[in-house]
Amino acid sequence: DTEVTQTPKHLVMGMTNKKSLKCEQHMGHRAMYWYKQKAKKPPELMFVYSYEKLSINESVPSRFSPECPNSSLLNLHLHALQPEDSALYLCASSQVRGGPNQPQHFGDGTRLSIL
Amino acid sequence: GNSVTQMEGPVTLSEEAFLTINCTYTATGYPSLFWYVQYPGEGLQLLLKATKADDKGSNKGFEATYRKETTSFHLEKGSVQVSDSAVYFCALMNSGGSNYKLTFGKGTLLTVNP
Repeated sequence: DTEVTQTPKHLVMGMTNKKSLKCEQHMGHRAMYWYKQKAKKPPELMFVYSYEKLSINESVPSRFSPECPNSSLLNLHLHALQPEDSALYLCASSQVRGGPNQPQHFGDGTRLSIL
Repeated sequence: GNSVTQMEGPVTLSEEAFLTINCTYTATGYPSLFWYVQYPGEGLQLLLKATKADDKGSNKGFEATYRKETTSFHLEKGSVQVSDSAVYFCALMNSGGSNYKLTFGKGTLLTVNP
């Protein structure tokens, strides 16, 4: 069982819909991440939150809007997505202190399909 | 910049065979190195890590040694099982600049046949 929980596991939406992906962790981690993974590819970093503040945005289109309401929760709000946005969306968390020695812990992802 | 190169496979082995998946990296400074595994339909799981030269990470029979002189972190297992079938990603995180960005290799699909 993973310690990072993502909901929903699957999501199908039209291009005009608004939906949200949710991520929760209770490991006391203060860094949280969103990744996008296409089939047979490695994950691509989208956003990083550190102490509930956005610290990295990898030039992600504005139709993806992240939110970190508290230290345990991370949301990704979706609006007006395109078919090429269909992918597995992974959430991860890690300690902040300790620098690059701290591994990231991943959830099982939300598989998103855009019709 | 940082980069990770790993054999892309796919790799197909029989049960109890020896496994090696090669991984080399390019980075400035002193990166930490990781192997992640992704089973079908799941997210990534940390398999093992090493944070300095000559460190050996190990878990579930898998091992990898941080070789600074060859900038390598090859994954090995002496006897694979069908349950090891998955995609394996080599990754690094660097101590310079942002501490939060993992650089992944392209992944290696391993299939183990009974």
